[in-house]
Amino acid sequence: QSVLAQPPSASGTPGQRVTISCSGSSSNIGRNYVYWYQQFPGSAPTLLVSGNNQRPSGVPDRFSGSKSGTSASLVISGLRSEDEADYYCSAWDDSLSGRLFGGGTKLTVL
Amino acid sequence: VRLLESGGGLVQPGGSLRLSCVASGLAFSDHAMNWVRQTPGKGLEWVSAINGGDSDKTYYAESVKGRFTISRDNSRNTLYLEINSLRGDDTAVYYCATTEYWGQGTLVTVSS
Repeated sequence: QSVLAQPPSASGTPGQRVTISCSGSSSNIGRNYVYWYQQFPGSAPTLLVSGNNQRPSGVPDRFSGSKSGTSASLVISGLRSEDEADYYCSAWDDSLSGRLFGGGTKLTVL
Repeated sequence: VRLLESGGGLVQPGGSLRLSCVASGLAFSDHAMNWVRQTPGKGLEWVSAINGGDSDKTYYAESVKGRFTISRDNSRNTLYLEINSLRGDDTAVYYCATTEYWGQGTLVTVSS
């Protein structure tokens, strides 16, 4: 099963703005919602940004999502040390009739 | 909302398992449900999904088609995954999930 393309790593210093990209195609990101998940080592993923770029209650507004064409982005503003985690994008693929995940981006706060 | 998986364990290659996921705190029958797996230290891999509402349509990743069967019992708020002909590369933590909520996972280890 193919994956959505994410950079394997990203980094920033506290207070910085970091963007994590997610590249797909017309059959997935191009026509379906994109979801972003955060995962800490040893824990299950949790939803950060839902398909219509809404944040579940409890998720800081420092996290935001956007989509343009067949690509999506997660923006983390005011980076904090506790943001150090793995981040995954996900979208349904109409051609494959399956859900795709990005390969994940490991965010390091320097 | 709570999703609680069970049924994982150590199984020999070629063996079978049935994973279960009991849901609480949500209108289970209305939600599409997924199984997603993660090999330790690796990324997330979607395995299978089943529609909610009036449809029980199922979907599978190519890597598991013909070996895995997803089902649900709305009267028990429970999601299942029957796993047959297990292989070493099926070793992973298996998560039950909606698009919003995830369980804590159950570990399946395939080894002789």
